[in-house]
Amino acid sequence: DSGVTQTPKHLITATGQRVTLRCSPRSGDLSVYWYQQSLDQGLQFLIQYYNGEERAKGNILERFSAQQFPDLHSELNLSSLELGDSALYFCASSVAGSGVQETQYFGPGTRLLVL
Amino acid sequence: GQNIDQPTEMTATEGAIVQINCTYQTSGFNGLFWYQQHAGEAPTFLSYNVLDGLEEKGRFSSFLSRSKGYSYLLLKELQMKDSASYLCAVYTGGFKTIFGAGTRLFVKA
Repeated sequence: DSGVTQTPKHLITATGQRVTLRCSPRSGDLSVYWYQQSLDQGLQFLIQYYNGEERAKGNILERFSAQQFPDLHSELNLSSLELGDSALYFCASSVAGSGVQETQYFGPGTRLLVL
Repeated sequence: GQNIDQPTEMTATEGAIVQINCTYQTSGFNGLFWYQQHAGEAPTFLSYNVLDGLEEKGRFSSFLSRSKGYSYLLLKELQMKDSASYLCAVYTGGFKTIFGAGTRLFVKA
């Protein structure tokens, strides 16, 4: 158990819908990252937050947005869903200091299926 | 540009030794991580190198050469449970970590 929690574990929805994925980082971690992993693909970095502020952006679609709240939990919002959005979505957290403190601890993921 | 290269797949025999290579070209370098990911599960941290040389941790060792932009993960006494993807990731600094596509390792009996 990494200490990072994600809800829900599974999500089935229809095209055109909107969903929200939730992540709680490890206690003490200030940075939260979101990744998308499609079947048999590598991790695609979406976005990173640090202490409530957006820190880095990857290949995140305009239909997707995220935020980190004052209690440091984060939400990833996916809207106008398409079949191709079906994937595993991982959240990770780190202390975000330097060096080994950049080790990312991953949550169990949310498996999204868009029908 | 930022580039991390790893072999896509490798196969090895139970009990043997396997070396998974990673080469990188990044705009900055402040450390290299290796993660293990079993199919359908979350990646888990294996090792971290920031200085040149070999770091040993049980059956797993990781090597770094910063001048060559090269790292490898060495797995000894392979077990069936080592069948997984191994991800090389470079922390470039400025809170940015770049992941390679991963190497899928198959361990056969």
